[in-house]
Amino acid sequence: KQEVTQIPAALSVPEGENLVLNCSFTDSAIYNLQWFRQDPGKGLTSLLLIQSSQREQTSGRLNASLDKSSGRSTLYIAASQPGDSATYLCAVDPLTGANSKLTFGKGITLSVRP
Amino acid sequence: EPEVTQTPSHQVTQMGQEVILRCVPISNHLYFYWYRQILGQKVEFLVSFYNNEISEKSEIFDDQFSVERPDGSNFTLKIRSTKLEDSAMYFCASRLAGGRGDTQYFGPGTRLTVL
Repeated sequence: KQEVTQIPAALSVPEGENLVLNCSFTDSAIYNLQWFRQDPGKGLTSLLLIQSSQREQTSGRLNASLDKSSGRSTLYIAASQPGDSATYLCAVDPLTGANSKLTFGKGITLSVRP
Repeated sequence: EPEVTQTPSHQVTQMGQEVILRCVPISNHLYFYWYRQILGQKVEFLVSFYNNEISEKSEIFDDQFSVERPDGSNFTLKIRSTKLEDSAMYFCASRLAGGRGDTQYFGPGTRLTVL
């Protein structure tokens, strides 16, 4: 059974710092991996999707990498801002099954201090 | 930009009552999903739906749950007899037809509170 782990559960950094959020998964048979942002009491906003054949994806100050063989992904946030404060979740879509079925990590709650 | 919408944003019900959670997926999407998130826990897959039938369901999705696409725009999740442990945030998601690589777009969620 696929397990997705995100450690640490919470992170606090000063504004302007570059940071890396980690995600690990136990089964490397994945179709893709997505990073989401969740603001308190709100829905999930997709940030980046990496196909299993890709190594990384970039969007603005965000860069996500994927190492399928080691079961790891990282989300790099450059020049962090207070507005980046949120919970960041990673989710994997398995290779098997007729349809997508995301398995989520518990998320990392990021606080960027002004 | 098109988005997934969900109603109501918050639903309070008594244990044993039926609830229907409503979702309007993005208009040209063909794959639909329900997930839930119990407070402080992971987001969990409940069910996927395509071509008017369930593609896959989790062990959480027992006989108390059902899904329906009653018309061309709505996608509903019904819980027949709610339990206290059904209290959670329920998210609807949709995906464009095409490869499995397409992004799932999530709605803002419905917070269900069972008293």
